[in-house]
Amino acid sequence: DGGITQSPKYLFRKEGQNVTLSCEQNLNHDAMYWYRQDPGQGLRLIYYSQIVNDFQKGDIAEGYSVSREKKESFPLTVTSAQKNPTAFYLCASSKRNEQFFGPGTRLTVL
Amino acid sequence: AQKITQTQPGMFVQEKEAVTLDCTYDTSDPSYGLFWYKQPSSGEMIFLIYQGSYDQQNATEGRYSLNFQKARKSANLVISASQLGDSAMYFCAMREIAAGANSKLTFGKGITLSVRP
Repeated sequence: DGGITQSPKYLFRKEGQNVTLSCEQNLNHDAMYWYRQDPGQGLRLIYYSQIVNDFQKGDIAEGYSVSREKKESFPLTVTSAQKNPTAFYLCASSKRNEQFFGPGTRLTVL
Repeated sequence: AQKITQTQPGMFVQEKEAVTLDCTYDTSDPSYGLFWYKQPSSGEMIFLIYQGSYDQQNATEGRYSLNFQKARKSANLVISASQLGDSAMYFCAMREIAAGANSKLTFGKGITLSVRP
């Protein structure tokens, strides 16, 4: 079945460590996105990519990095520069008027 | 300026009744799209319905319909015949097409809906 996968579902890291969140899609969508959600809040855009080998900063890109080497994959690295990384991270992809989300990764930094 | 506004406090509805979730938006782009998503406690974001700014008719998808009032810049979601499984957070979002067909979505802060048996 076509869809978006994110792994792992839950992730724990020690403060000061970089961590990479995986996002893969087999929907043949051109654009992919990373959002952050804090408890009781809406989604805020971290980075997005409209085409392979190109990406743009969203509203809260500081402390994060991404790559887009393949159409299917858009990994997000949460670096030690991110001041408050504990959150729920959602990956999405889109083509024209559709934007679909993965199941999310809940990151807890101890 | 806030582009998507969802100001209702937590909403409650009796099972089998209809409920309207409010959303207002702000844009100077004549071409835009409006989305509604449902987020249950599991965290996944489920796409519900889409309305394009030039669509002549209000969008409908099963029990979901979008009450689109362009002049008032509102895009309220109507859920008919509420079910217990409708209890979730609901987010309104907008895409400004001038920024590109695959441009980012801007989300509101969401509304919590609780369906009472």
